[in-house]
Amino acid sequence: DIQMTQSPSSLSASVGDRVTITCRASQSITTYLLWYQQKPGKAPELLIHAASNLKSGVPSRFSGSGSGTDFTLTISSLQPEDFATYYCQQNSSFPRTFGRGTRVEIK
Amino acid sequence: QLVESGGGLVQPGGSLRLSCAASGFTFSTSWMSWVRQSPGKGLEWVANIKQDGSDTYYVDSVKGRFTISRDNAKNSLSLQMKSLRAEDSAVYYCVKGGGVFDYWGQGTLVTVSS
Repeated sequence: DIQMTQSPSSLSASVGDRVTITCRASQSITTYLLWYQQKPGKAPELLIHAASNLKSGVPSRFSGSGSGTDFTLTISSLQPEDFATYYCQQNSSFPRTFGRGTRVEIK
Repeated sequence: QLVESGGGLVQPGGSLRLSCAASGFTFSTSWMSWVRQSPGKGLEWVANIKQDGSDTYYVDSVKGRFTISRDNAKNSLSLQMKSLRAEDSAVYYCVKGGGVFDYWGQGTLVTVSS
């Protein structure tokens, strides 16, 4: 199975900050990497697919990059509605696997 | 929209059937999946099924115990769960997609406990 390792597991940031979350795959997944946002009590929502493609309707302050084994999710200017937990997931092979999540909290 | 039902409390070794009613998209042309989430294990993909039901895939921990199925005429997805274990306790989400999970239901809670 492909292991997905996210870092950090949590971070504190202020509105307007630039935030970067990293995700590392245990083997190459080319660009078969997705990012999700989950708010408390809600289901996850897809933000980015194919490592860098924003889902329609997702604000442009979100961006993704990377290929192979190393990926990043960047929020260019953190907004109040962005405080949530973010997960990466690979869809290169079965079983589909997720990272453990990064919780973005208000500083 | 994806609406799950069928969750609840079940004893270890018991069975439960989850259902998902889909609307708002062409169900018959979409891969569908079940993904679960528990506090201890985070998000875990459980199973998925091809558009016509001809192919199914499962995470190793549920193989032989869970069965995913679909009824395209009724726009419905199911997950039959048998020989349930404490570690199967989680919120189970019905999800559109086989690898890109682009729409999620609100989830249904399954608790396996005596």
